[in-house]
Amino acid sequence: EPEVTQTPSHQVTQMGQEVILRCVPISNHLYFYWYRQILGQKVEFLVSFYNNEISEKSEIFDDQFSVERPDGSNFTLKIRSTKLEDSAMYFCASKTSYSTDTQYFGPGTRLTVL
Amino acid sequence: RKEVEQDPGPFNVPEGATVAFNCTYSNSASQSFFWYRQDCRKEPKLLMSVYSSGNEDGRFTAQLNRASQYISLLIRDSKLSDSATYLCVVNAPSNTGKLIFGQGTTLQVKP
Repeated sequence: EPEVTQTPSHQVTQMGQEVILRCVPISNHLYFYWYRQILGQKVEFLVSFYNNEISEKSEIFDDQFSVERPDGSNFTLKIRSTKLEDSAMYFCASKTSYSTDTQYFGPGTRLTVL
Repeated sequence: RKEVEQDPGPFNVPEGATVAFNCTYSNSASQSFFWYRQDCRKEPKLLMSVYSSGNEDGRFTAQLNRASQYISLLIRDSKLSDSATYLCVVNAPSNTGKLIFGQGTTLQVKP
């Protein structure tokens, strides 16, 4: 069964450093998402991406965040200058089409900012 | 009011018990509703979609009451492997498909 993959599984970084989280969505999917979950809190939407552009972003997704689909398979989330409060699990998700409700989630990247 | 509200629990039940979780959502324009399961430090996994007519999948039954903006999940004959956090999820009434998650309800099934 096809699945969403994410790398790395755990990333430790120093405050102020840039990180890039990588995702490979399911191959025939067209809609892509990033969510995050701070430890002990709910899953929160960050950004949606379709047709090579951001379709919606949350208040969390400020100028420090960016997304890219550089090569038709990878979908990346970049945090330019990490803060302590960026420590969280970051989940990538994808779905096939606009009319499909079901999103498939990757296993997540645990980001720890020291 | 929170967009999606759930009782965080924990619900501690013996094996074989029946347990019910409830959830309310604030935006009446939401169209799609789900229950996801999340194990500790893992990704959310779709348990079932929820329809107005109610739907059942084995030991799991989900119900939706649009008038009350209320969603429920019933688990019958609980197994140890049902221990997890159950997330009530609603799609936002935008055309991007973003999902809005509740805080989750923790279930611990004990032998």
